[in-house]
Amino acid sequence: QSAPTQPASVSGSPGQSITISCSGTSSDVGYHNYVSWYQQHPGRAPKLIIREVTNRPSGVSDRFSGSRSGNTASLTISGLQAEDEADYYCNSYTTSNIYVFGTGTEVTVL
Amino acid sequence: EVQLVQSGAEVKKPGESLKISCKASGYYFSNLCIGWARQVPGKGLEWMGFIYFGGSDTRYGPSFQGQVTISADKSTNTAYLQWSSLKASDTAMYYCYFAVYGDSWYDSWGQGTHVTVSS
Repeated sequence: QSAPTQPASVSGSPGQSITISCSGTSSDVGYHNYVSWYQQHPGRAPKLIIREVTNRPSGVSDRFSGSRSGNTASLTISGLQAEDEADYYCNSYTTSNIYVFGTGTEVTVL
Repeated sequence: EVQLVQSGAEVKKPGESLKISCKASGYYFSNLCIGWARQVPGKGLEWMGFIYFGGSDTRYGPSFQGQVTISADKSTNTAYLQWSSLKASDTAMYYCYFAVYGDSWYDSWGQGTHVTVSS
C-alpha cells in the first residue's frame, strides 16, 4: 500500500490561491468518497479541514475547498493568509478496508 | 465536542515494552472509534490503525500489523497502543484521533505522546 503522492511544498503570496494535489489510485483516492484533508501547524496536532472530498466541517474557513478528478484529490486555499502556513495531508479509505495518509505538503506563504 | 487526552512522554530502551493511552471524553455512544497515527520527527503522518468500541473491529496499517497492538477499555473510553519490544525506529510522536464508526474523517485529535527509544 503506497501513500498517495502530494507535492513536497507549495508556496504563494498573501491573497493568492494555491492548490495541493493528492495523487493515488483507483484502490484509494479514486475508490470512494472517503477522502479527507488535515492541516498541521508545527508542534501541533492535525486538524480536519475537509471531509468526504468536498465537505467543510463547521468552523473551517470557506477559503478551503476540496475536489477530485479521477484518482487525484485536490485542496484549494483561496485568499492565502499567513496563518495558512502549515503542513497539509490527505487521507483516503482503501479497497483493503484501511486508511492511508498522503505524503504531505508544506505550504509557505511568501 | 470530543476531547482526547493522551498519556505523557516516554523514554525507553530498545527491547522494552510500552503501553500508551488515549482517553476520550464528551462522547458516550457505542459507535466510538479511536485510532492512532505515527509521525517520525521531520516526517509525515502514517496511519497505524483503529479500534471500534462497539464491537470487535480492529484494523492495522500494513507497516504496523504485528508490530503494535491496539486495545481498548470500554468502561473508561480509553484506547491503548502497545509494543512488546521497542526498537529505535519506534521513536516518534504518536497521535490518537476520534471518529464515529463508519465515518471516514477524524474530528478530534489528542495532543500527542512523544516516545523516545534509545540505549
